[in-house]
Amino acid sequence: EPEVTQTPSHQVTQMGQEVILRCVPISNHLYFYWYRQILGQKVEFLVSFYNNEISEKSEIFDDQFSVERPDGSNFTLKIRSTKLEDSAMYFCASSELGTANTEAFFGQGTRLTVV
Amino acid sequence: AQSVTQLGSHVSVSEGALVLLRCNYSSSVPPYLFWYVQYPNQGLQLLLKYTSAATLVKGINGFEAEFKKSETSFHLTKPSAHMSDAAEYFCAVRANAGGTSYGKLTFGQGTILTVHP
Repeated sequence: EPEVTQTPSHQVTQMGQEVILRCVPISNHLYFYWYRQILGQKVEFLVSFYNNEISEKSEIFDDQFSVERPDGSNFTLKIRSTKLEDSAMYFCASSELGTANTEAFFGQGTRLTVV
Repeated sequence: AQSVTQLGSHVSVSEGALVLLRCNYSSSVPPYLFWYVQYPNQGLQLLLKYTSAATLVKGINGFEAEFKKSETSFHLTKPSAHMSDAAEYFCAVRANAGGTSYGKLTFGQGTILTVHP
């Protein structure tokens, strides 16, 4: 069964360092998303991406964050200069369509710890 | 704008007992509603979704949910809990409207279900 895969599963980084979280969406999907879940809090939307550009982003997604689809398969989230409060589980998701009734398939997440 | 409230961050039931996880939503447009489950060390898996067809929706693993517009609720139920149902459950809403926000899911805070033998 097709699935969204994320690497790495865990990442520890020092404050101020850049990190890149990687995702391989399901191959025929066109819409890609990043969400995050700070420990004990809600899963929060970060950004959606379609046709090689951001279609929507949340207030959390400031200039420190960027997304890219560098080739035909990967979808990456870059955090330019990490802060302690960026520590969270980051989920990548993809969907075949962008319509409201379309299921989003989620990866297993990358746990980012900023020390 | 949409929001979701899940009542009860922890629910504990005995094996074989009814599972009821509560979800209330707020949406300025007709919503699409989803329940996701997260098992330990795994990603979010879709259990079921309401997309304005039948109000009673059946999902995987014996779960079902009923959309009640008058109560703005979408509670998740299962008649008989199994040990393997222990997980965290998330209710989510998505706007049923055009525009750029149709892809975005807004999640509740999650409910951890514990099943006792």
